[in-house]
Amino acid sequence: KQEVTQIPAALSVPEGENLVLNCSFTDSAIYNLQWFRQDPGKGLTSLLLIQSSQREQTSGRLNASLDKSSGRSTLYIAASQPGDSATYLCAGGETGANNLFFGTGTRLTVIP
Amino acid sequence: GAVVSQHPSRVICKSGTSVKIECRSLDFQATTMFWYRQFPKKSLMLMATSNEGSKATYEQGVEKDKFLINHASLTLSTLTVTSAHPEDSSFYICSAIRAGGPDTQYFGPGTRLTVL
Repeated sequence: KQEVTQIPAALSVPEGENLVLNCSFTDSAIYNLQWFRQDPGKGLTSLLLIQSSQREQTSGRLNASLDKSSGRSTLYIAASQPGDSATYLCAGGETGANNLFFGTGTRLTVIP
Repeated sequence: GAVVSQHPSRVICKSGTSVKIECRSLDFQATTMFWYRQFPKKSLMLMATSNEGSKATYEQGVEKDKFLINHASLTLSTLTVTSAHPEDSSFYICSAIRAGGPDTQYFGPGTRLTVL
């Protein structure tokens, strides 16, 4: 069974700083890797989806990478803004199945 | 777009009552929907996979008689928490996969259940 870990659990950065969020998974036979954003009490917003055949995906100030051999994914946020403050979750999709295995998330606070 | 809605967004009920939560795909048909539960400061956990026209598949440790799932149409799945207890208080989120599309899951906004 896939196990997904996110470190650190919380991160505070000043506005404008670039930052990296880390996600590690145990099963390299991962089908895809998704990054989500969750605002307090809200549902999830999908940010980026990386298929197992891809190395990275970019959307605006966000860039996500996937290294299956090392079992790691990173989410890079450039020029952080206070509006980026949220909990970021990564989730690994299992080959041949549709369910996702979620990490516990990293709570990001961007200080104005 | 691919919009998923949930109703209600928030519900408070007394212990012992049953609560129904609806998950709808508004602009696409979804043959498969998923139900997740998130306790405070915990990760999302998959509860069950709901396939249109067939019985739901429950994850280990999830009581199927307590969490009744019905996926009667290609745009609607319901989760009924029967005889709710305070320990069932949680954030319930559904997601849906577009029929014939890639495996991207589109998530609903979630339902906050509080059982008194």
